[in-house]
Amino acid sequence: NAGVMQNPRHLVRRRGQEARLRCSPMKGHSHVYWYRQLPEEGLKFMVYLQKENIIDESGMPKERFSAEFPKEGPSILRIQQVVRGDSAAYFCASSPQSIYNEQFFGPGTRLTVL
Amino acid sequence: DQQVKQNSPSLSVQEGRISILNCDYTNSMFDYFLWYKKYPAEGPTFLISISSIKDKNEDGRFTVFLNKSAKHLSLHIVPSQPGDSAVYFCAASEATSGTYKYIFGTGTRLKVLA
Repeated sequence: NAGVMQNPRHLVRRRGQEARLRCSPMKGHSHVYWYRQLPEEGLKFMVYLQKENIIDESGMPKERFSAEFPKEGPSILRIQQVVRGDSAAYFCASSPQSIYNEQFFGPGTRLTVL
Repeated sequence: DQQVKQNSPSLSVQEGRISILNCDYTNSMFDYFLWYKKYPAEGPTFLISISSIKDKNEDGRFTVFLNKSAKHLSLHIVPSQPGDSAVYFCAASEATSGTYKYIFGTGTRLKVLA
């Protein structure tokens, strides 16, 4: 059973470009979460999605950031017009439906904005 | 507002001895707690969890203790092994309120000395 997959693992963008991060959850998992880790900090919740629905986006910056989890295909975290402060590791996690199941994390995408 | 705090950024322990990692929280609505281990350039790996109806949960060398009145949890690793050297994050959620997002602490870097 393959784990959570994220690609790319490393992404370099210049200021003003768009960054697109992909996440494929574990088989059978219908819940996807995105977290961001800044250097020397813990992981910060960004958004929680189920298929075709955003359930909780309370941790997502109001501008430039968006997320989707379409009926077919991976979940996408999109950052438009990136700035240097967006440089971080972005982790995706997935879980089954039960509320007391742990979230399984992918290896992360390290975004560097030049 | 840091709702989950890990006040020790680092800890060194001799191989074979006990490692004790601590975590404090401020939100009394948290009812599900987890510990994750993270190696560099990898995603967090789930270790052990505990719900607020329990005060102890054990899995092999890992035991988590929860003190609700003190809003404190700890992870005990006995005996510690060099492979346990990693960053450990505690996380909390309000599971029964339907909020699936985790709030993470800032992590404790454990170094087990051979």
